[in-house]
Amino acid sequence: DAGVTQSPTHLIKTRGQHVTLRCSPISGHKSVSWYQQVLGQGPQFIFQYYEKEERGRGNFPDRFSARQFPNYSSELNVNALLLGDSALYLCASSQLAVADTQYFGPGTRLTVL
Amino acid sequence: QQQVKQSPQSLIVQKGGISIINCAYENTAFDYFPWYQQFPGKGPALLIAIRPDVSEKKEGRFTISFNKSAKQFSLHIMDSQPGDSATYFCAASRPGGSQGNLIFGKGTKLSVKP
Repeated sequence: DAGVTQSPTHLIKTRGQHVTLRCSPISGHKSVSWYQQVLGQGPQFIFQYYEKEERGRGNFPDRFSARQFPNYSSELNVNALLLGDSALYLCASSQLAVADTQYFGPGTRLTVL
Repeated sequence: QQQVKQSPQSLIVQKGGISIINCAYENTAFDYFPWYQQFPGKGPALLIAIRPDVSEKKEGRFTISFNKSAKQFSLHIMDSQPGDSATYFCAASRPGGSQGNLIFGKGTKLSVKP
């Protein structure tokens, strides 16, 4: 079975632009969570979606938004990019809404210039 | 109360030695404690996880020890190999619903010398 897939792998944007990151969960998994990992730090929770509904939101500004589609894939959108948004964005999938047994994708490396 | 504190920040171990990484938490509502391994440029991979109803869990060379009263848990890597060189993260979560997300420690960079 394929693992969690994310696209694109790398992305370079300039301040003020908008970005959309995509994630496909493991087949059969209905929950997708997004995390931001700044270099040298642990991942930080942004959003969780389960069955297309937002189930949790971390301490991130409203510039960050997400959605989940009927096939359980997900998009993370970030508006008005700041230099500080440069990070590895990770998507994790799990079968249930609870956080246990989350499987991470390879991430999207976003660089904001 | 939401923090997970991880130590040491970096660790150098000789091949064949035991690597020990420690984590401490404050929120007694946490009920799931996984460890993740991350190689450069890759996403974290789940290694092993434990719940508070057991004090130890072993999978191959990896063992989690859990001390509920001290609110601490640790990862032991036996017979450490150069291929184990990676960054290790402990994490914790509390029961489901809107709060069902993982809170990670800051990571430990492990180097295993041949």
